Amino acid sequence: ETGVTQSPTHLIKTRGQQVTLRCSSQSGHNTVSWYQQALGQGPQFIFQYYREEENGRGNFPPRFSGLQFPNYSSELNVNALELDDSALYLCASSLGEVRYEQYFGPGTRLTVT
Amino acid sequence: DQQVKQNSPSLSVQEGRISILNCDYTNSMFDYFLWYKKYPAEGPTFLISISSIKDKNEDGRFTVFLNKSAKHLSLHIVPSQPGDSAVYFCAANTGANSKLTFGKGITLSVRP
Repeated sequence: ETGVTQSPTHLIKTRGQQVTLRCSSQSGHNTVSWYQQALGQGPQFIFQYYREEENGRGNFPPRFSGLQFPNYSSELNVNALELDDSALYLCASSLGEVRYEQYFGPGTRLTVT
Repeated sequence: DQQVKQNSPSLSVQEGRISILNCDYTNSMFDYFLWYKKYPAEGPTFLISISSIKDKNEDGRFTVFLNKSAKHLSLHIVPSQPGDSAVYFCAANTGANSKLTFGKGITLSVRP
């Protein structure tokens, strides 16, 4: 059974640029959630996708957007990067009907300069 | 507004002793609570959970206690082992969706 994988591991971008982060869900999981973890904080919910449809969103501006593909892999896109976007971005997958146990990937560390 | 609070940033215990990690919440709609453990350079790993209809759940060395009237839960690790040294996050959600609300985490150090 393959776990959740994310790419890239690290990324450095300049303010104003755009970035795409990728996530491959655990085998058989049809739900993916994205979280942002700033330094010294717990993960904060960005949004969730279930069967390719957005299924809930946290308090993040529209420049944070996502996609889920038919194979249940997912992308997080962030436009017009700001310095405060520097964080660890975590992807978590789960089975739609098992709504509590989410399996996290190792994260992508994004640094905005 | 921090709906899940882990007020102690760190805890240090001796190997073999009990570790007690505390968590408070403010949202009375939360009906499911989870603990995650996180090692450096890894994503959080699910540890144990408890439904609001229970007051205790046990899994090996790990026990979670829930006090709904106090809006408080705690994770007990007995006996503590050096491999338990990690950051522990308390998380909660409501029946309406899978969104997890996390606390800031507590760093547990278990001394050999």
